[in-house]
Amino acid sequence: DSGVTQTPKHLITATGQRVTLRCSPRSGDLSVYWYQQSLDQGLQFLIQYYNGEERAKGNILERFSAQQFPDLHSELNLSSLELGDSALYFCASSAYGSSYNSPLHFGNGTRLTVT
Amino acid sequence: GENVEQHPSTLSVQEGDSAVIKCTYSDSASNYFPWYKQELGKRPQLIIDIRSNVGEKKDQRIAVTLNKTAKHFSLHITETQPEDSAVYFCAASPTGTASKLTFGTGTRLQVTL
Repeated sequence: DSGVTQTPKHLITATGQRVTLRCSPRSGDLSVYWYQQSLDQGLQFLIQYYNGEERAKGNILERFSAQQFPDLHSELNLSSLELGDSALYFCASSAYGSSYNSPLHFGNGTRLTVT
Repeated sequence: GENVEQHPSTLSVQEGDSAVIKCTYSDSASNYFPWYKQELGKRPQLIIDIRSNVGEKKDQRIAVTLNKTAKHFSLHITETQPEDSAVYFCAASPTGTASKLTFGTGTRLQVTL
């Protein structure tokens, strides 16, 4: 167990809808990262937060947004969903935002299916 | 931005043989190169990483080599075992940390008996 908790495990919704994915980082970790993994694809970096503030942004669509709350949990909001948004969404955490010897620890992911 | 290419996409080896997975990166500023193993239906897990000030790093049956001039790095697994079967991802970052990691597309390793 990595200590990173993601909910829900599975989510099925229709096109055009909006969903929220939730992540609790490992105890003591200040950084949270969101990744998207489509079928037979690699891990696409979406966004990183450090202690409540956005630290880095990757290929995140404008329809997607995220935030990190004072208790350090994070939420990824996906709106106007399209079929192509169906994927496994991973949250990861690390101890610091820009520190050596602080690797990523991944959660078990949320599988989103858009029908 | 950074682009990481990974080869081969699939690799089948017999138990006990060695496996080599290669990655190239485009951003000469990249200085942190981790490797992740993802078993079927599970989360990616870090297995080894290397920084640009080191050319090679070993951990038991796993080793990673880095050629900064050619901008490529490789994962070597010796004496492969069935439990090594998984998808392996390389990644690169210009920050020296887990921030701004760009992942390769993965290599599916199958170790046969």
